[in-house]
Amino acid sequence: NAGVTQTPKFQVLKTGQSMTLQCAQDMNHEYMSWYRQDPGMGLRLIHYSVGAGITDQGEVPNGYNVSRSTTEDFPLRLLSAAPSQTSVYFCASSLQGPSYNEQFFGPGTRLTVL
Amino acid sequence: ILNVEQSPQSLHVQEGDSTNFTCSFPSSNFYALHWYRWETAKSPEALFVMTLNGDEKKKGRISATLNTKEGYSYLYIKGSQPEDSATYLCASVPQGGSEKLVFGKGTKLTVNP
Repeated sequence: NAGVTQTPKFQVLKTGQSMTLQCAQDMNHEYMSWYRQDPGMGLRLIHYSVGAGITDQGEVPNGYNVSRSTTEDFPLRLLSAAPSQTSVYFCASSLQGPSYNEQFFGPGTRLTVL
Repeated sequence: ILNVEQSPQSLHVQEGDSTNFTCSFPSSNFYALHWYRWETAKSPEALFVMTLNGDEKKKGRISATLNTKEGYSYLYIKGSQPEDSATYLCASVPQGGSEKLVFGKGTKLTVNP
């Protein structure tokens, strides 16, 4: 099993550009989520999904869109990048939701918005 | 959004020392508590998921306790080794199993040889 994979590892964008961060897992996990990690802020939940076709907002959803058309994939879209979105983004998954299940994290994507 | 607080923010110990740190959460708004270990340049890795008051879990030299009535969890490391150096994160799921995990800012542990 590859576990949770994320692409790209690094990305530089200009303000106003759009892009999609990819996340995939091969563990047949129902629950997937996106976090951003900023210095001094810890991990903050952006969006999450409890299964294919179902998504919901986390703590900091503004400026981001998600969809979950398959169990395996959970892409995160930045619609119009802003410097405030410079961060490290982590995707995570678990068998079911976090009430009882540990999260498996991907390697992260480091995004810089100029 | 509930507040998950961790203390201390950072900690330096000598190899062989035992140490512990704290995670606090609102006792009135609790469903589950997670602990993760996060080494530099890697991804967070799960240590424990705890739900019951009085729960105690152990993995090697690392153990954790949970007090849901007073809203805290302790993580203990016995006989710290340099390879234990990492940031330790706790995260809470609010009451009702909201499916949202709220993380604290972490405790950064450095173990000096």
